[in-house]
Amino acid sequence: GAVVSQHPSWVICKSGTSVKIECRSLDFQATTMFWYRQFPKQSLMLMATSNEGSKATYEQGVEKDKFLINHASLTLSTLTVTSAHPEDSSFYICSAGLAGHRGSGELFFGEGSRLTVL
Amino acid sequence: AQTVTQSQPEMSVQEAETVTLSCTYDTSESDYYLFWYKQPPSRQMILVIRQEAYKQQNATENRFSVNFQKAAKSFSLKISDSQLGDAAMYFCAYRRGMEYGNKLVFGAGTILRVKS
Repeated sequence: GAVVSQHPSWVICKSGTSVKIECRSLDFQATTMFWYRQFPKQSLMLMATSNEGSKATYEQGVEKDKFLINHASLTLSTLTVTSAHPEDSSFYICSAGLAGHRGSGELFFGEGSRLTVL
Repeated sequence: AQTVTQSQPEMSVQEAETVTLSCTYDTSESDYYLFWYKQPPSRQMILVIRQEAYKQQNATENRFSVNFQKAAKSFSLKISDSQLGDAAMYFCAYRRGMEYGNKLVFGAGTILRVKS
């Protein structure tokens, strides 16, 4: 199947700093990528839909100024957690589907990024 | 809005035995897709099986099969001949029809423990 890669897999930062997480589709183009947040032993909560060349669509309750999403190319989306605080500590996962193959329905997931804010 | 419900927070199964994980969903649409994803301790999401709502035949992938009851809006996963490597968190997920893109709605998940 298609490969989605996230980087970094684990990041520790100080409170008040900003952290950028990258999501890349390695062998396919993705006009849309999705960012999820997951707390331990809980489900994946969709944060936003990243659209190549346009603004991201945020889910209700997600602060767009806090979680900046950029999708500048068909293979890269970035999530920047601005002025991070301990409550932002979580596991962040991105996913992407094949452009032009929406009917297959399958999403490919990155390995996830664990953010710890001290 | 569509919702997905997994009523079993945890399940246990003996190695080589069969276990069924439950999933129900709520939708007013007729065209949609259903999935089961596995998330092992590595936390990498892995697609287990997929079902298109317009297909009456239940999907099967080796030891994994589903019981899709469209009228009842039920989509259970059966794992046969359970193996230690099946231990993971399993998520049921719903996706709207083709024209609505690839956004998934996940259930709360079921932790599956496999006993040797």
